[in-house]
Amino acid sequence: GAGVSQSPRYKVAKRGQDVALRCDPISGHVSLFWYQQALGQGPEFLTYFQNEAQLDKSGLPSDRFFAERPEGSVSTLKIQRTQQEDSAVYLCASSLGVSGANVLTFGAGSRLTVL
Amino acid sequence: AQRVTQPEKLLSVFKGAPVELKCNYSYSGSPELFWYVQYSRQRLQLLLRHISRESIKGFTADLNKGETSFHLKKPFAQEEDSAMYYCALKGTGANNLFFGTGTRLTVIP
Repeated sequence: GAGVSQSPRYKVAKRGQDVALRCDPISGHVSLFWYQQALGQGPEFLTYFQNEAQLDKSGLPSDRFFAERPEGSVSTLKIQRTQQEDSAVYLCASSLGVSGANVLTFGAGSRLTVL
Repeated sequence: AQRVTQPEKLLSVFKGAPVELKCNYSYSGSPELFWYVQYSRQRLQLLLRHISRESIKGFTADLNKGETSFHLKKPFAQEEDSAMYYCALKGTGANNLFFGTGTRLTVIP
């Protein structure tokens, strides 16, 4: 596609529910990132993939958060047993090269609201 | 530890006036610095990066290692510059960008 595509754009979950957020990066982009952006804050790094390998997951806030990119293209961020503090916009970004975040192309984000 | 500080959450200037968005960083090595911008109802996108030493949409930013700053400047603000601006840092050998909290710029007609 022409850009990074994320779905769903909006998700409302009841506390305790599991959610899955999808990211479809630009075709051919090796590097893929997930960021969490809380209201009034800048994006905060969650995890990084180089092709299908998850090279850095140091930003995942708890073991309720899990990300995968099994075939090196589409990625899914899963949040289990959602809590209110998980409410945020989840941004996916990709870049062409293997040296990580040089020029990132961002998706529109998935806004998660946990009630 | 790396840190990016944008001291102004909100900044308003009149059209045609100079604008400077401040960014200070804390990092022990040689970082790469970036400015990202988010216009209303649009995605976060790269504005400029210090290693390119370029002017984009009239904006420039100079990395000052002595003051650990990377302020974004434009001599004459335009209404279309109104947006959210984020300063970001990439550490040596790091994979990810570390973002500041952002400054919302409003250019008053």
